[in-house]
Amino acid sequence: DQQVKQNSPSLSVQEGRISILNCDYTNSMFDYFLWYKKYPAEGPTFLISISSIKDKNEDGRFTVFLNKSAKHLSLHIVPSQPGDSAVYFCAASAFGGNKLVFGAGTILRVKS
Amino acid sequence: DVKVTQSSRYLVKRTGEKVFLECVQDMDHENMFWYRQDPGLGLRLIYFSYDVKMKEKGDIPEGYSVSREKKERFSLILESASTNQTSMYLCASSLGTGGPYGYTFGSGTRLTVV
Repeated sequence: DQQVKQNSPSLSVQEGRISILNCDYTNSMFDYFLWYKKYPAEGPTFLISISSIKDKNEDGRFTVFLNKSAKHLSLHIVPSQPGDSAVYFCAASAFGGNKLVFGAGTILRVKS
Repeated sequence: DVKVTQSSRYLVKRTGEKVFLECVQDMDHENMFWYRQDPGLGLRLIYFSYDVKMKEKGDIPEGYSVSREKKERFSLILESASTNQTSMYLCASSLGTGGPYGYTFGSGTRLTVV
């Protein structure tokens, strides 16, 4: 049973436009959420995170929104750039937990 | 910068072989993890370790074992490789437990079992 779900396997966006990647979770004990970015033949790298006490966190072109009542989070990239083309993984952890649970990933392609 | 190094980028092994995947981190992290990445399934946890000689099963431990004799090194062992273990294997380390610490990943080992 997948506790973290990324229902869109892929997303294609024009350069300069907004990319919105979505993630849903089922475990109400999750209290911290992260996004990782992965290029082919490289390991995932940390992008941005959010605690459950917040509903928004920004870092430059990247913003993560958390809707706890809907158990949903989203990553917004504005403006999208060709270098953003990668696989994006959503991850979550529960308070006191010692591991991250990852979603299946979304492949983002930014077309120039 | 924290560095997590996986000894091989690409490996090809035969069915039935014993396979060792090595991972070394250089920042004195307590926790280390082994994941495999498969299309459509994301990152699935195989085993993790929160201290030397300590290990815990993840979500898909069958067919794998691990060894952590030193803090900086965490090895994944495929006792008898099978074709369904063809995958990208990712090692990660973390300073503490829980989300705020995040993980640092290695570059991965692409294992093909023929």
